[in-house]
Amino acid sequence: NAGVTQTPKFQVLKTGQSMTLQCAQDMNHEYMSWYRQDPGMGLRLIHYSVGAGITDQGEVPNGYNVSRSTTEDFPLRLLSAAPSQTSVYFCASSYLERDEKLFFGSGTQLSVL
Amino acid sequence: GESVGLHLPTLSVQEGDNSIINCAYSNSASDYFIWYKQESGKGPQFIIDIRSNMDKRQGQRVTVLLNKTVKHLSLQIAATQPGDSAVYFCAEMFGNEKLTFGTGTRLTIIP
Repeated sequence: NAGVTQTPKFQVLKTGQSMTLQCAQDMNHEYMSWYRQDPGMGLRLIHYSVGAGITDQGEVPNGYNVSRSTTEDFPLRLLSAAPSQTSVYFCASSYLERDEKLFFGSGTQLSVL
Repeated sequence: GESVGLHLPTLSVQEGDNSIINCAYSNSASDYFIWYKQESGKGPQFIIDIRSNMDKRQGQRVTVLLNKTVKHLSLQIAATQPGDSAVYFCAEMFGNEKLTFGTGTRLTIIP
């Protein structure tokens, strides 16, 4: 039982480059979300999805895109990376349609130079 | 202890002792609270949650206490073990709003 799987584990980008952070869960959870974690700050919600085909913005959505074509996958796209996007990114899922009982992936550490 | 939005504090506890991690939350209307544990290099792991209609809830070696009068949440870990060393953070939620996460407290278990 893999739970929530994120790839890659580490990534270094140059300013202006684009990339996709992958997230997959095998628990058949409808609710999935992306967070970023920065030093001295709590987790902040980027985007979330309550089911396939449905996405919505969180607290800090600028510079990020998401799509949800299947229940299992919820990729996060950085359109044009900026140094301010240097962070640790976590994907989470839940069997509930809200933030309760979130299961988190192991994270992607992203550095933008 | 921590407060949602404040700098990360630290707590050192002797192995075998009990530890208490505190959290001051901001929204008096919050009706759901949750504690997470985050080990170095890993994602947050659910520990225990509590709703506002309760003031205490127990799990395996952990107890969460909720004091709505002073907007305070605490996590008690009994008989701490080396594996309890991690960052612990609380989060609050009101209705169908999103969780607001605290910054965490770093717990170090001294052998």
